[in-house]
Amino acid sequence: QKEVEQNSGPLSVPEGAIASLNCTYSDRGSQSFFWYRQYSGKSPELIMFIYSNGDKEDGRFTAQLNKASQYVSLLIRDSQPSDSATYLCAGNRGNEKLTFGTGTRLTIIP
Amino acid sequence: EADIYQTPRYLVIGTGKKITLECSQTMGHDKMYWYQQDPGMELHLIHYSYGVNSTEKGDLSSESTVSRIRTEHFPLTLESARPSHTSQYLCASSEFRAGKNIQYFGAGTRLSVL
Repeated sequence: QKEVEQNSGPLSVPEGAIASLNCTYSDRGSQSFFWYRQYSGKSPELIMFIYSNGDKEDGRFTAQLNKASQYVSLLIRDSQPSDSATYLCAGNRGNEKLTFGTGTRLTIIP
Repeated sequence: EADIYQTPRYLVIGTGKKITLECSQTMGHDKMYWYQQDPGMELHLIHYSYGVNSTEKGDLSSESTVSRIRTEHFPLTLESARPSHTSQYLCASSEFRAGKNIQYFGAGTRLSVL
């Protein structure tokens, strides 16, 4: 079992709808989680991170963490074509290293 | 945000050649990382450094080596390139923000070994 698992997709969402990206993790020692967006051929860029149970909102993005279920999600409201990318979930055990999932490819359909 | 520069962006090279992938950051970050990413696959940590003269191997075994003689510079070297080394190599550095280490990535080097 991979430490961080994501549905590889592709996930297709109509423009203006809510995109929901999910991530599960197996290491209960993981303390914080990061969502990166990676456009094709580009490097990952940080969207947001979360370390407390519950929701964290930043603009159109909401990260959700449920430590009991070992589940992290990213919601994108009012999806735009520019949101089309691969979204990477990463976990951290409180040290300096991140463990990445394989990413979910999201396509926003105009 | 960190300014991280990687060169070259693309490299096509023959088997057996020695290559060095350059990575520099201008923010004075102590912690730097090298990842390897194949298409459609996750990023795998191959090397990291907590500061000058500190280097550690990552979770994925790699035949590459790294050095950290200056804070801003973290080059990766392959003594003898092989086709199995064909991949994308991403360099990152991190800063401490909101109690967490936040990693920022360079643009990457796409390496093809023929």
